[in-house]
Amino acid sequence: EVQLVESGGGLVQPGGSLRLSCAASGFTFSNYWMTWVRQAPAKGLEWVANIKEDGGDKYYVDSVKGRFTISRDNAKNSLYLQMNSLRAEDTAVYFCARVSWGVNDYWGQGTLVTVSS
Amino acid sequence: DIQLTQSPSFLSASVGDRVTITCRASQGVSSYLAWFQQKPGKAPKLLIYAASTLQSGVPSRFSGSGSGSEFTLTISSLQPEDFATYYCQQLNIYPLTFGGGTKVEIK
Repeated sequence: EVQLVESGGGLVQPGGSLRLSCAASGFTFSNYWMTWVRQAPAKGLEWVANIKEDGGDKYYVDSVKGRFTISRDNAKNSLYLQMNSLRAEDTAVYFCARVSWGVNDYWGQGTLVTVSS
Repeated sequence: DIQLTQSPSFLSASVGDRVTITCRASQGVSSYLAWFQQKPGKAPKLLIYAASTLQSGVPSRFSGSGSGSEFTLTISSLQPEDFATYYCQQLNIYPLTFGGGTKVEIK
């Protein structure tokens, strides 16, 4: 059974940093692109970043470029999102998701990041 | 960036109704479009990919159609468990983008 479990969310002050993790199981993690998607409170979905199977290619939404870094450790079956210079508008539930045939077929339950003083 | 406009943004319907949601792209995305269902407090669930391919395990009352810049999601006979918010997403060009969502509520 495919499982994705996010962790690392919490309350952080504006300008602070946070590192999200996503533990994957039930599939060969190193064979799949992975994604981070976020959802601000009572708002719609926003794609954040994608990373290739080997970590060689990465893509980001403009609003996080230069502040967020997506990475992975295939030996640990884990996906990460390093978030720096956090802003109030980064407050959201962050989901990790697997990419299969170009689309996110399995999603984690999400982890809440709150940026506030 | 490609903008996706969903209509309507809100829909009130009864069990058994046929429901159609439209997603229009600001430029063509070929067939690189997916539909998701999301219930409150839950992760999105993939329903349709490649514009019209039903994801495994999704009931056949869901169907998708379209290509280029206009797409539709149809629920042939709305069931109680279908009341949720639906999102389209284009997967053709980075940055990937979602539509604003369509909330389907009970009439």
